[in-house]
Amino acid sequence: NAGVTQTPKFQVLKTGQSMTLQCAQDMNHNSMYWYRQDPGMGLRLIYYSASEGTTDKGEVPNGYNVSRLNKREFSLRLESAAPSQTSVYFCASSEGLSGYGYTFGSGTRLTVV
Amino acid sequence: DQQVKQNSPSLSVQEGRISILNCDYTNSMFDYFLWYKKYPAEGPTFLISISSIKDKNEDGRFTVFLNKSAKHLSLHIVPSQPGDSAVYFCAASGHGNKLVFGAGTILRVKS
Repeated sequence: NAGVTQTPKFQVLKTGQSMTLQCAQDMNHNSMYWYRQDPGMGLRLIYYSASEGTTDKGEVPNGYNVSRLNKREFSLRLESAAPSQTSVYFCASSEGLSGYGYTFGSGTRLTVV
Repeated sequence: DQQVKQNSPSLSVQEGRISILNCDYTNSMFDYFLWYKKYPAEGPTFLISISSIKDKNEDGRFTVFLNKSAKHLSLHIVPSQPGDSAVYFCAASGHGNKLVFGAGTILRVKS
């Protein structure tokens, strides 16, 4: 099925470890996003890529880096994981930046101990 | 500064009755509003939307109402079903800019 694929689905890290969350979409969308979901905080934008070759900070970018590898793939890297980064991470894509048609992946549940 | 607010963290409704989920926004530049639904262990999925040129949009059991003067929108689900139990996110965008999400409301429909 067409959509957004995230890997891994679950991950446990020790404080200070690094890891990369992978995201790929097969809908030929231009824009891609990384969100984190925390209880009572909703979906907060970490970084986004309006189009291939561009990336911009969102609401909560500290402690993260991103790479728009090509039109399909957008990865999120934690260089030195902290317990405050324990969250559920969602990747999404859309034709353009405007509100219509965001498609989300199924999420990565990350625990930092 | 929360531009999109869902002030009710949770809502419990009896099966067959109406569910009303509310959302307030502060940015008058928003011109497109959406509701997303999220089940546990899944990503959010689009449910229904409304443009600022309308005040109502209906899709089956789901209706979204927009009151621009009050900067308020609501989602009505009639009749509510147990399968509607999920987290509902309100979202808004303006002038081609990216979506801004609310904190979400957990809906529980009791059978």
